[in-house]
Amino acid sequence: DQQVKQNSPSLSVQEGRISILNCDYTNSMFDYFLWYKKYPAEGPTFLISISSIKDKNEDGRFTVFLNKSAKHLSLHIVPSQPGDSAVYFCAASARIAQKLVFGTGTRLLVSP
Amino acid sequence: DGGITQSPKYLFRKEGQNVTLSCEQNLNHDAMYWYRQDPGQGLRLIYYSQIVNDFQKGDIAEGYSVSREKKESFPLTVTSAQKNPTAFYLCASSQGWEFGNQPQHFGDGTRLSIL
Repeated sequence: DQQVKQNSPSLSVQEGRISILNCDYTNSMFDYFLWYKKYPAEGPTFLISISSIKDKNEDGRFTVFLNKSAKHLSLHIVPSQPGDSAVYFCAASARIAQKLVFGTGTRLLVSP
Repeated sequence: DGGITQSPKYLFRKEGQNVTLSCEQNLNHDAMYWYRQDPGQGLRLIYYSQIVNDFQKGDIAEGYSVSREKKESFPLTVTSAQKNPTAFYLCASSQGWEFGNQPQHFGDGTRLSIL
């Protein structure tokens, strides 16, 4: 039972363009959503989060959008840079459960 | 610099042997977590602890054990009962849930392989 799904295993984008990574969830109790970036052989690095009371959160080049009715969130990276090439995980939590549930990740490749 | 330290970075286990992975944090976080990552998969929760001397099973706890005797330390033992232990193990910590939703911060992981 995969409660958090990232249906695109990979995404290729040219430098300077927008990268859009998508994530779907099934548990309506989730109230907090996060995006992590991961390089090979390293731990994930927290990027940005959003609470279910909001529909958008922005931090520099990174913006997360939440569509609760569709149970969908997305991460926009503008402009994309080669250093953004990594695996991106979305994660969700329900405060009552006190733990994160992770998606399977999307590998982003930003080419010069 | 505050952070999470996992050691060793690489670990080899013989069949039938228990091994212990270390995780130490100096972030003064109450909560700590252990995850396992397999190729092409997301992170799966093994065990978590919200406070010293207390911990709960995650989604894949069978074959693993933990202890939480100190706030800054949360070691994971991979026992011989874990039949497929080869994986990348990640430790994380966060402020307690009484502070509301908080991001988890991760160490750099330990890669465990079977000889």
